[in-house]
Amino acid sequence: RKEVEQDPGPFNVPEGATVAFNCTYSNSASQSFFWYRQDCRKEPKLLMSVYSSGNEDGRFTAQLNRASQYISLLIRDSKLSDSATYLCVVIHNNAGNMLTFGGGTRLMVKP
Amino acid sequence: DTAVSQTPKYLVTQMGNDKSIKCEQNLGHDTMYWYKQDSKKFLKIMFSYNNKELIINETVPNRFSPKSPDKAHLNLHINSLELGDSAVYFCASSQDFRRFLGGANVLTFGAGSRLTVL
Repeated sequence: RKEVEQDPGPFNVPEGATVAFNCTYSNSASQSFFWYRQDCRKEPKLLMSVYSSGNEDGRFTAQLNRASQYISLLIRDSKLSDSATYLCVVIHNNAGNMLTFGGGTRLMVKP
Repeated sequence: DTAVSQTPKYLVTQMGNDKSIKCEQNLGHDTMYWYKQDSKKFLKIMFSYNNKELIINETVPNRFSPKSPDKAHLNLHINSLELGDSAVYFCASSQDFRRFLGGANVLTFGAGSRLTVL
């Protein structure tokens, strides 16, 4: 089983739709969680951190469920510019506090 | 000013050659990384350095040799290139890999170096 798993998609949604992605992680000692966004042929960039109580940044809401070991990202009122690959990132307290990336979920928002 | 810059952006070379990719960050970060993103888009850590000291060395062939002359630079040298080395190599930095608060472990990536081995 991969340490961090995501549905690769693609998720094809119309503009204005609400879409949600999940990401599961296998190490219960994981401590920090993030969502990164990667546009085609570009570098990954931080979208948002994920806090235990859940957090919101504009149209984006991130949730953490430690019991079931998953994090989620909800995007409301999708825009064309939201089309990208969304990468789930987990850090656990092992040697080096290494960031482990999921394989990414591709989102395509259509007009 | 580019925060994390890596050169070259594109590299096309023959099997068996030796090549280097350079990375520099002007963020004052202590920790630097090399990641490899293959054709399936998986990002895998290769190496991590903290203040010039090797922290992480994943199961990478010893044809790959990182060098950190100072904490702002982390270069990657690859000997005897193979077809399977074709990928995008991303350099990244973070404030301090040991800290979890205040965004200290948030990564800033360079634009990537696309290596094609023929």
